[in-house]
Amino acid sequence: QLQLKESGPGLVKASETLSLTCTVSGGSISSNNYYWGWIRQPPGKGLEWIGSINYSGSSYYNTSLKSRVTISVDTSKSQFSLKVTSVTAADTAVYYCARDRGLTSTPGFDPWGQGALVTVSS
Amino acid sequence: DIQMTQSPTTLAASVGDRVTITCRASQTISTWLAWYQQKPGKAPKLLMYKASSLESGVPSRFSGSGSGTEFTLSISSLQPDDFATYYCQQYTSYRTFGQGTTVEVK
Repeated sequence: QLQLKESGPGLVKASETLSLTCTVSGGSISSNNYYWGWIRQPPGKGLEWIGSINYSGSSYYNTSLKSRVTISVDTSKSQFSLKVTSVTAADTAVYYCARDRGLTSTPGFDPWGQGALVTVSS
Repeated sequence: DIQMTQSPTTLAASVGDRVTITCRASQTISTWLAWYQQKPGKAPKLLMYKASSLESGVPSRFSGSGSGTEFTLSISSLQPDDFATYYCQQYTSYRTFGQGTTVEVK
């Protein structure tokens, strides 16, 4: 079955760039019907959608984060990636990747990766 | 941007209780709404999509209703495994999650 897994540094210094990669296995990242999304969750808080991208590179972002976020896709590696620039302590969170079933007949985020904790240090 | 507001924030209930969580959208989203369950330390799990369609494998005690701006998630008879935090999410204009409702032991 389809599986997603996040990878990347668990500690990032303030003002630097956070970079994470999500590897998709057990299925194709190149499906026309799906987007691939990033969602984050600060410790003890709720979920925040960051952005989504499809296999051709069409992407859209949360307007509150858009100026600092870039999501890219590498279909040859079955991966999509997240970059957040100029990070602060407020960017400390568990970062999840998930398949975004978009406006298909069964929309919603599913499945999800296990999550990766990223801590921003001063 | 569309804002999603859930109520209550916390709900205390007992096994066997009927539980209802409400989610309101700041503008109409038709039925483009999903519900998720999250347990501590775990990724969220999709429960419902299109407001009232049950995701495969989800117990039938879960049900959803609503359209436009007001939606509900109900659990007909709360089970021990259902104590968790629940989130609604709209996907008509980008994506937005509600702030979550925690169902705790009464």
